[in-house]
Amino acid sequence: ELKVEQNPLFLSMQEGKNYTIYCNYSTTSDRLYWYRQDPGKSLESLFVLLSNGAVKQEGRLMASLDTKARLSTLHITAAVHDLSATYFCAVDGGQGAQKLVFGQGTRLTINP
Amino acid sequence: GAGVSQSPSNKVTEKGKDVELRCDPISGHTALYWYRQSLGQGLEFLIYFQGNSAPDKSGLPSDRFSAERTGGSVSTLTIQRTQQEDSAVYLCASSPRMGAVNEQFFGPGTRLTVL
Repeated sequence: ELKVEQNPLFLSMQEGKNYTIYCNYSTTSDRLYWYRQDPGKSLESLFVLLSNGAVKQEGRLMASLDTKARLSTLHITAAVHDLSATYFCAVDGGQGAQKLVFGQGTRLTINP
Repeated sequence: GAGVSQSPSNKVTEKGKDVELRCDPISGHTALYWYRQSLGQGLEFLIYFQGNSAPDKSGLPSDRFSAERTGGSVSTLTIQRTQQEDSAVYLCASSPRMGAVNEQFFGPGTRLTVL
């Protein structure tokens, strides 16, 4: 069974600091997705990573994928309050499955 | 452009009643998914529709759950004889399925509360 694990699950940080969220998964996959969810809202697609070594950046967020290590990272640079949200990584279900398998989510709180 | 829409946004029902949840995918998206999000279980896949192919029902938790997609567009998720453990946010997503990329676009969800 495919498992996707995020670390940490809860993160409280100060504005201006840098931090990284880790996403490990248990099967080979070349495709990984990052989503953001604000409280009471739905999931917003942030990044689609399609190959080993892929790196994508949007503002203060940068995502990368290492398919050999089965690891993706979401790096936050000089955090600002607006980035407070829950972040999910997801991997294709594998073996022809079309579903996405999600990590538990990382609840990020950025304090002024 | 219009995103994925779902209705109702909130539904409160009594245990044992049937409920229907509706999803309108993004126009032109051939793939449609239902997920459930609850505190204890995170995001769980329920069912997947792709064009005219048979749906992947492997995530449905019991035979009380069913879904259909009419005309390759709108989908309804039906839960019969609801139980308290069915309380969750039900999310619908659609995808254009461009090649192997499975980026899914989510609707706002239906919050179901079973009393």
